Amino acid sequence: DQQVKQNSPSLSVQEGRISILNCDYTNSMFDYFLWYKKYPAEGPTFLISISSIKDKNEDGRFTVFLNKSAKHLSLHIVPSQPGDSAVYFCAASLYSGGGADGLTFGKGTHLIIQP
Amino acid sequence: DVKVTQSSRYLVKRTGEKVFLECVQDMDHENMFWYRQDPGLGLRLIYFSYDVKMKEKGDIPEGYSVSREKKERFSLILESASTNQTSMYLCASSFAGNQNIQYFGAGTRLSVL
Repeated sequence: DQQVKQNSPSLSVQEGRISILNCDYTNSMFDYFLWYKKYPAEGPTFLISISSIKDKNEDGRFTVFLNKSAKHLSLHIVPSQPGDSAVYFCAASLYSGGGADGLTFGKGTHLIIQP
Repeated sequence: DVKVTQSSRYLVKRTGEKVFLECVQDMDHENMFWYRQDPGLGLRLIYFSYDVKMKEKGDIPEGYSVSREKKERFSLILESASTNQTSMYLCASSFAGNQNIQYFGAGTRLSVL
């Protein structure tokens, strides 16, 4: 049973426009959410995160929105740049800080930025 | 910069072989993780460790074991490799105080023939 779902395997956006990547989750116990970015032949790298007590977090061109009632989060990239072309993984955690536990990842969305 | 190094980028093994995947991190992180990535399935947690000699099962531990004898090194062991263990294996590490920000290695692509 998949607890973190990314229903769009791929997304194509024109350079300079906004990219919106979506993620849904089913486990209401998740306390912290993250987005990781992965280029081919590299490991995923952390991009941005949000705690369950917030509904928005912004870092430069990247903004993550959380709608707890809908169990939905989204990543907005504006403006989109060619270097943003990558696979984006949504991830969720039961813990917001310390301790140890793995992350639960979605299947990923391949974002392609068209020139 | 945090560096997580996986010993092999590509590995080809035969069914039934014992396989060791090695991972080393240089940032004194308490936590280390092993995931596998498969097309259409994303990343799935196999095992993790929060301290030397400590290990916890993840979501798909069957057919795998792990070893953490030193803080910086976390090994994934396939006791008897099978074709369904052909996959990309990713190691990650994190501080205990912020376990969600995980730093990943580049991965080992394992083919079991």
